[in-house]
Amino acid sequence: GEDVEQSLFLSVREGDSSVINCTYTDSSSTYLYWYKQEPGAGLQLLTYIFSNMDMKQDQRLTVLLNKKDKHLSLRIADTQTGDSAIYFCAESMTGGYQKVTFGTGTKLQVIP
Amino acid sequence: NAGVTQTPKFRVLKTGQSMTLLCAQDMNHEYMYWYRQDPGMGLRLIHYSVGEGTTAKGEVPDGYNVSRLKKQNFLLGLESAAPSQTSVYFCASSYSPERGGTFRNEQFFGPGTRLTVL
Repeated sequence: GEDVEQSLFLSVREGDSSVINCTYTDSSSTYLYWYKQEPGAGLQLLTYIFSNMDMKQDQRLTVLLNKKDKHLSLRIADTQTGDSAIYFCAESMTGGYQKVTFGTGTKLQVIP
Repeated sequence: NAGVTQTPKFRVLKTGQSMTLLCAQDMNHEYMYWYRQDPGMGLRLIHYSVGEGTTAKGEVPDGYNVSRLKKQNFLLGLESAAPSQTSVYFCASSYSPERGGTFRNEQFFGPGTRLTVL
């Protein structure tokens, strides 16, 4: 079955880059996502990558996908205190109803 | 648009009591979901619905029931609450790929309901 794994915690200094890593098991995944959960709120889609891509950049965010190793990473450049949140990696396939499998979430703490 | 809303935001129950959590969305989404979030376990799917009048079991359906009588509402019921059901419950919705266009299966989440069962 599908499984998505992440480390639970990451601490970085304000202004540094953050790299959050994720591994997944389902090689037929079509979409891979990063969701952000701020304290006391629901998850919100931050960015996503289609499985035929290796990289996607969106302002301060860079997503890297290594399909061979089934490894996904999210890099946040110039990390700000407002980036403190829990980041969830998730995977899904397309075609009819396809469930989204979420990782356990990585709590990012940004130290001023 | 309010997006996805959930009521109540907080609730404390005693073991054996029942309650219903309400989820509403105003985005005309076909699909709706109920998840529970527990520390170190991420999100686990309880039940989901692919349209009005239809529901299906997710990963952890035991002890919960759901109903989708109207497209915009998805109700989660606990008939006899147990301490193991202490959790944060999230509702989400998404549109169907049958609408066409670029379907990326993005789910839109409500703010959550924090439930404690004593």
